[in-house]
Amino acid sequence: AQSVTQLDSQVPVFEEAPVELRCNYSSSVSVYLFWYVQYPNQGLQLLLKYLSGSTLVKGINGFEAEFNKSQTSFHLRKPSVHISDTAEYFCAVSENDAGGTSYGKLTFGQGTILTVHP
Amino acid sequence: DSGVTQTPKHLITATGQRVTLRCSPRSGDLSVYWYQQSLDQGLQFLIQYYNGEERAKGNILERFSAQQFPDLHSELNLSSLELGDSALYFCASSVASLGALNIQYFGAGTRLSVL
Repeated sequence: AQSVTQLDSQVPVFEEAPVELRCNYSSSVSVYLFWYVQYPNQGLQLLLKYLSGSTLVKGINGFEAEFNKSQTSFHLRKPSVHISDTAEYFCAVSENDAGGTSYGKLTFGQGTILTVHP
Repeated sequence: DSGVTQTPKHLITATGQRVTLRCSPRSGDLSVYWYQQSLDQGLQFLIQYYNGEERAKGNILERFSAQQFPDLHSELNLSSLELGDSALYFCASSVASLGALNIQYFGAGTRLSVL
């Protein structure tokens, strides 16, 4: 069974500073990886995804993430954050298991609350 | 706007009652997923439908059921409600459930409060 661990429950950072939100996963098959963002009192918005190909993926709002298969990680980064980036960020995986029974369900980490201070 | 519509946005009800949550997927999406977000359990997969048929079940209680109709909208029915069912319920849709076609887009959620 797949699982996702977000290593930091809260990350405070000052505006214009760089940030990294860490995510590790485990799965017995190959996976697709996602980051979603949830702004206060809103739904989940897809930030970026890794399906295949280049291990560095770029998303919306200047975020990027790097897939590291050997370390089973998919850390999210932004070189310079804004106040508007304050939100909760979720890492998620779905198993690339066409012959299995997961049927594409997403398994989420516990979330990381990013707070950007002025 | 993700294109996934959930109604109602908020529901307040009493223990023992039954409620129905509705989800309209994005145009062209055949797969619908339901997730529950609570403070203690986080985001958990409940159930998935694909083109009207149930495909996968997660940690869904027997008091909960769902269906997907011919027009592809889906309903999640929660009965004999308990205080612990209070949560945010999300619907997500995708073109298909496999591979690169399984990019899930989420609705804004229905916040259920059981008093």
